[in-house]
Amino acid sequence: GNSVTQMEGPVTLSEEAFLTINCTYTATGYPSLFWYVQYPGEGLQLLLKATKADDKGSNKGFEATYRKETTSFHLEKGSVQVSDSAVYFCALSAPNTGNQFYFGTGTSLTVIP
Amino acid sequence: NAGVTQTPKFRILKIGQSMTLQCTQDMNHNYMYWYRQDPGMGLKLIYYSVGAGITDKGEVPNGYNVSRSTTEDFPLRLELAAPSQTSVYFCASTPEGYGYTFGSGTRLTVV
Repeated sequence: GNSVTQMEGPVTLSEEAFLTINCTYTATGYPSLFWYVQYPGEGLQLLLKATKADDKGSNKGFEATYRKETTSFHLEKGSVQVSDSAVYFCALSAPNTGNQFYFGTGTSLTVIP
Repeated sequence: NAGVTQTPKFRILKIGQSMTLQCTQDMNHNYMYWYRQDPGMGLKLIYYSVGAGITDKGEVPNGYNVSRSTTEDFPLRLELAAPSQTSVYFCASTPEGYGYTFGSGTRLTVV
């Protein structure tokens, strides 16, 4: 089946620290992989995506590389800011499933000044 | 463009009452979805639709119904509200192969 496992939180970092949020997946076929961000009281917003192996998605200083050999899509940012405080969701879209997305449980990040 | 619009934003229901959560998108997307988000549980798919007139069950469909009479609208119906349906509900849409566009959510409390 299809599933996503991501690092449990909450994660608390100081401003300018390095961020890694781990995400691994199980999928039939060749999925597309996504990171979504949810700010307090809002819906989920697409942060970045990768559609095939070795693709790197990037946006707003965040990066993630689609690693087929390790079935991973870890989210990284070199220097976090207070405004990055949010919940981050890893997700996959598997082929032949009506474009369904499978989400991880989310990782809460708090960045302190 | 408005994107995906959900109404209402908040609602309190009594056990056994019914209600419809509205979802409208103006992007002409074929695919639409309803998810519920419970604390620490991620998002669970309730129902989805791949086009007008076509709907299918997701992971947690019990207690809910949907219809898709037009491309734009995908309402979610709760017939007999139960406390277990207290959650935040998100509607999403997408053209095939792209990421979802989410609505801002409906926070539902059943008491």
